Amino acid sequence: QVQLQESGPGLVKPSETLSLTCAVSGYSISSGYYWGWIRQPPGKGLEWIGSIYHSGSTYYNPSLKSRVTISVDTSKNQFSLKLSSVTAADTAVYYCARATRAFDIWGQGTMVTVSS
Amino acid sequence: EIVLTQSPATLSLSPGERATLSCRASQSVSSYLAWYQQKPGQAPRLLIYDASNRATGIPARFSGSGSGTDFTLTISSLEPEDFAVYYCQQRSNWPENTFGQGTKLEIK
Repeated sequence: QVQLQESGPGLVKPSETLSLTCAVSGYSISSGYYWGWIRQPPGKGLEWIGSIYHSGSTYYNPSLKSRVTISVDTSKNQFSLKLSSVTAADTAVYYCARATRAFDIWGQGTMVTVSS
Repeated sequence: EIVLTQSPATLSLSPGERATLSCRASQSVSSYLAWYQQKPGQAPRLLIYDASNRATGIPARFSGSGSGTDFTLTISSLEPEDFAVYYCQQRSNWPENTFGQGTKLEIK
């Protein structure tokens, strides 16, 4: 079955760049669909960060657009998130998900803490 | 940006009771609304997409209705495993989307 797995540093210093990767198994990203990143600060709700199409077209949350870059590597069947100039407000669990008519398959999530 | 408002913030019910959760959009989203369930320490799980379509493997006690700006998630008879946080999400300009703030369904 389709599975997604996030990976990346769990601790990032303020002002630095957060980098995460989502490895997809059981489905080829090249076959289609959008692929997205969503985050959830501790004790709070869900926030869509952005999505990428298999062709590389990107769509970002306007509130984060100036700091976000999402890319795809079809040869490795994975997609990535970069969030620059992070602050404590970016501390959250970060999820990757497949986006069909909704986010139908999610990774388990990875906690990223922004702290010096 | 389309804002989704969920009500109530917390719903206290007993197993076997019927749960009705509401999601209101600041402007029409047609039928492009989804519902998710999230349990502590877990990723969200898709329940309903496009307002009324159950996702794969979702029990029939979960149903969704509505269109335009007003939507409802109904759980016909609560099971112990249904107590969780529920989020709605709109995708009227997919892949752009927004989530509601969530409704916590707790055991009374």
